[in-house]
Amino acid sequence: EDQVTQSPEALRLQEGESSSLNCSYTVSGLRGLFWYRQDPGKGPEFLFTLYSAGEEKEKERLKATLTKKESFLHITAPKPEDSATYLCAVQWEKKTSYDKVIFGPGTSLSVIP
Amino acid sequence: DTGVSQDPRHKITKRGQNVTFRCDPISEHNRLYWYRQTLGQGPEFLTYFQNEAQLEKSRLLSDRFSAERPKGSFSTLEIQRTEQGDSAMYLCASSWTASPGYTFGSGTRLTVV
Repeated sequence: EDQVTQSPEALRLQEGESSSLNCSYTVSGLRGLFWYRQDPGKGPEFLFTLYSAGEEKEKERLKATLTKKESFLHITAPKPEDSATYLCAVQWEKKTSYDKVIFGPGTSLSVIP
Repeated sequence: DTGVSQDPRHKITKRGQNVTFRCDPISEHNRLYWYRQTLGQGPEFLTYFQNEAQLEKSRLLSDRFSAERPKGSFSTLEIQRTEQGDSAMYLCASSWTASPGYTFGSGTRLTVV
C-alpha cells in the first residue's frame, strides 16, 4: 500500500537547537516530494519540491534532502516563529492519474524561546 | 491576486442537513483540488478538477458528496445529509499544470452536531 509516514509526531526544541524531521514513503515511481508548513487554523503553505535522490533545497533555516525512500527537513538554529506543523507529501505515477498526491500526518514543531 | 479563498471559514450544522462550501482558486490556475483534514492528520485527497472536468474522485467521496467547477473557475463542494463523521477541515488548493506544489486556502471548518 502506498503510504507516507513522518517522525517524530511532535518535537520540542529550544531556540537555536538544530534538529531534523523525517518523512518516509513506500510509493513506487516517485514524481516529486513536497514539504509544506501549516500554522494552526490555516491551510498548508508550500515550501519545497524534491524530484530525485541526492537533491537538496534550502530556504532560510530550512534544508530539505531526499534519498530513495525518505526525506529529511533539517532545521538549523530554529526560532520561535518556526513553530508549526510540517507536512510531507508525495506525488507518484499512476495509470489512472499521475497527479495524485498523498500527505503524511505531519510533525508538530514547537520552538521554545 | 489574493490567493485561494474559501467560504465560509466556519460552519456548524445539525446532523442530516446539507451544506455547501465555495472555493475561489488563483485565477490563472487550471487545477483545483479538494482535501479533508482531521485533527492531527495530514490532508486526505477528495477530488480534483482540470479546468471544468472532474478527473478523479477518492473513495472517501461517498454518494453524499458532490463537487462542481462550472466554467473552470470557482468550485463548490456539497455534502448532503451530514453525519458527525463529516466534521473536519475542508481544504481547497489550486495549481498550474506544470508547477510544483499547491496553493491552499485557509479551509472551511465543518462541525456537525
